[in-house]
Amino acid sequence: QKEVEQNSGPLSVPEGAIASLNCTYSDRGSQSFFWYRQYSGKSPELIMSIYSNGDKEDGRFTAQLNKASQYVSLLIRDSQPSDSATYLCAVNTGTASKLTFGTGTRLQVTL
Amino acid sequence: DTEVTQTPKHLVMGMTNKKSLKCEQHMGHRAMYWYKQKAKKPPELMFVYSYEKLSINESVPSRFSPECPNSSLLNLHLHALQPEDSALYLCASSKGLAGWDEQYFGPGTRLTVT
Repeated sequence: QKEVEQNSGPLSVPEGAIASLNCTYSDRGSQSFFWYRQYSGKSPELIMSIYSNGDKEDGRFTAQLNKASQYVSLLIRDSQPSDSATYLCAVNTGTASKLTFGTGTRLQVTL
Repeated sequence: DTEVTQTPKHLVMGMTNKKSLKCEQHMGHRAMYWYKQKAKKPPELMFVYSYEKLSINESVPSRFSPECPNSSLLNLHLHALQPEDSALYLCASSKGLAGWDEQYFGPGTRLTVT
């Protein structure tokens, strides 16, 4: 069973702080990793993709990948109340185009 | 803004009805997907089409019937559904079927089966 695991949260951070969202995966052959943001009642929105070990930055978002530890994370700097959502980690585990999703981490940014 | 559109936004249907969900993408992508998402759960893959051909069928019951008329359109025909089929149905598209191809979701159709 190829699994992707996330802490369901809620993760509560104050406005302006760094939110750190974590994801582990079981299939060592996984090559592609994606973070989606999903607001309540809405569809998932792709915010980051990462394929190589290390960090990838896009605005306030940084994705980090460590294939040796089978770990991918998402950092959100200067967190805003509008960042409050569920963040889904998705991993391509080898079968072309088939994503395995984690159960998501609910982030709450408090004023 | 999403370039994957879905209609209708909401659908209520009885167990004996036949209805269709429609999806269109305007990004020139060659792969399209149907997912089902229940409340507080991640999306579950149902079907994948590539170049208008069915590529993956995740053993979905036959009461769900996909159709891909062309590379930018994807339909999901519904017949004799059960109340447990009530969910958010998401369409997605990607450039191709490579593992690194990013998938973009449409806004979804909220389906209620009574």
